Amino acid sequence: DQQVKQNSPSLSVQEGRISILNCDYTNSMFDYFLWYKKYPAEGPTFLISISSIKDKNEDGRFTVFLNKSAKHLSLHIVPSQPGDSAVYFCAASELSQGGSEKLVFGKGMKLTVNP
Amino acid sequence: DAGITQSPRYKITETGRQVTLMCHQTWSHSYMFWYRQDLGHGLRLIYYSAAADITDKGEVPDGYVVSRSKTENFPLTLESATRSQTSVYFCASSLRGGYGYTFGSGTRLTVV
Repeated sequence: DQQVKQNSPSLSVQEGRISILNCDYTNSMFDYFLWYKKYPAEGPTFLISISSIKDKNEDGRFTVFLNKSAKHLSLHIVPSQPGDSAVYFCAASELSQGGSEKLVFGKGMKLTVNP
Repeated sequence: DAGITQSPRYKITETGRQVTLMCHQTWSHSYMFWYRQDLGHGLRLIYYSAAADITDKGEVPDGYVVSRSKTENFPLTLESATRSQTSVYFCASSLRGGYGYTFGSGTRLTVV
């Protein structure tokens, strides 16, 4: 059973507009969430994270929102740039109760930003 | 150079052959991981290691063997390669697993 779900496989937006990438999770014990970005022929790279004690974390053009009651998080990219075109993975872990050894990843979403 | 490196970057092998993918990290991270990336499946964990000489199965371990005699190395061996193991393989390391990883650049393996 998939614990982290990215239900939309792809998203296409115009340069300068907002990109919203969504992620849902089923395990209520998850308390730390991350987004990774992956370009073709490269490994995933860390983008931004959020702890469950927060509902928002911002880093430049990237903001992650967490809605614990809905078990939903989203990544907002404003404004979107062509260089943001990549596959984005949502990931989660359980840091409480002694910590988690590994991340659980979603299947990824391909974002295309058109010039 | 500091970081995490995977070798080879590309590999073509025949069905039934044994092949080993290498992963080396210079940070002395405790945790190391092997993932495979396939269309429609995202990143799936094959094996991971919490420290030298400690390994554990992930989601898709069948057909793979790992070892970790040294903290910095975590090789992945396909004992008898099958076409279903054609994939892109990523190694990752982490100081504290659940806080996030650093990934290598990947090995694209084709089994013919």
